[in-house]
Amino acid sequence: SQKIEQNSEALNIQEGKTATLTCNYTNYSPAYLQWYRQDPGRGPVFLLLIRENEKEKRKERLKVTFDTTLKQSLFHITASQPADSATYLCALDGGSNYQLIWGAGTKLIIKP
Amino acid sequence: DTAVSQTPKYLVTQMGNDKSIKCEQNLGHDTMYWYKQDSKKFLKIMFSYNNKELIINETVPNRFSPKSPDKAHLNLHINSLELGDSAVYFCASSHGQGNTGELFFGEGSRLTVL
Repeated sequence: SQKIEQNSEALNIQEGKTATLTCNYTNYSPAYLQWYRQDPGRGPVFLLLIRENEKEKRKERLKVTFDTTLKQSLFHITASQPADSATYLCALDGGSNYQLIWGAGTKLIIKP
Repeated sequence: DTAVSQTPKYLVTQMGNDKSIKCEQNLGHDTMYWYKQDSKKFLKIMFSYNNKELIINETVPNRFSPKSPDKAHLNLHINSLELGDSAVYFCASSHGQGNTGELFFGEGSRLTVL
């Protein structure tokens, strides 16, 4: 069956370090993969989209990689700050129109 | 101005009641969605409309009925509410197909069924 897995346990990182979050998937061949940030009581906010033919995408302190062989995406936040604390969700192109398939998210906690 | 706004933000009601959640987007997007986020935080798509036409209708009870009076609005009506309907419901919109582009979400409507 199709599955998307993100670390279910919270990730605790010291301020200033690089945080790396993982999104693994099985039985998909997504053409696109997206990352969103969700704060408590708020809706998800789009961060980055990466295509299957792109190995890496960057935006300011954020970097996303997409390895279609490993069926994995890594999301990095460099020079992390307490304000980066949130839940980060990955979402895959589900193959049918307008369809995104979502992971459950990883809660990131940046400690000062 | 809020890009995607949904009301109410909180809704507490008794089992068996009927309730509606409204959503409006001022982004000029063609496609709107309703998602349900359960206690485990999974986002599951319920419905999607493109230019007022139903595109995605996932397996949800027919007690849930979306209505799109125009492409800027997508409302969700729920009949005969059940305990299991308690969740946060998110409205979202996108320009074109959401699987290939950015989704803009509302703040969510937390529904509690007692």
